[in-house]
Amino acid sequence: DVKVTQSSRYLVKRTGEKVFLECVQDMDHENMFWYRQDPGLGLRLIYFSYDVKMKEKGDIPEGYSVSREKKERFSLILESASTNQTSMYLCASSFRTTSSRGGYTFGSGTRLTVV
Amino acid sequence: GQQVMQIPQYQHVQEGEDFTTYCNSSTTLSNIQWYKQRPGGHPVFLIQLVKSGEVKKQKRLTFQFGEAKKNSSLHITATQTTDVGTYFCAGQGGSYIPTFGRGTSLIVHP
Repeated sequence: DVKVTQSSRYLVKRTGEKVFLECVQDMDHENMFWYRQDPGLGLRLIYFSYDVKMKEKGDIPEGYSVSREKKERFSLILESASTNQTSMYLCASSFRTTSSRGGYTFGSGTRLTVV
Repeated sequence: GQQVMQIPQYQHVQEGEDFTTYCNSSTTLSNIQWYKQRPGGHPVFLIQLVKSGEVKKQKRLTFQFGEAKKNSSLHITATQTTDVGTYFCAGQGGSYIPTFGRGTSLIVHP
């Protein structure tokens, strides 16, 4: 069964800490994405990557950075966690062009609480 | 930029009633995808529509893509409690990054 695996299901961090969220996919997908999901706001794109070492800003990149050193792994970094970054974080992956090859495959999500 | 509006935000139905959610894009789409997210779960890909006027069925679910490729709908016939969740559309325009609607949460009362 194909998978996108996120390293933690729940995470509690203190304000100011540097936080790493890891995501690994086993489908040889070119594209990988980080979203955050908040009630009433839907899915908001933070960053995406279409190739190793490549990254593009999404709609809400402020306060975040990413790293993609290997094709299967995409990391989201909160440089200095703040309480307004408390959210559900979802990683997703897809083939470069989704037409007739299916859409996104999402991980199970990491619920991050910053205290 | 491209915007995808999805309505309604919530829908309460009695089990056995039908349900429909609608997506409208500000721009012409190359394709539209639909996802379902169960409570406490993550979005799961349901289907992708590519052709103008396309209609696809999955058991009690019917997906339509408008003739102008700017709108889409998901219709569920005779809802069941297993249909509970949030349904998202995601429209893909010129970019290969789909824009997600905010979702419609379906609540089914037994």
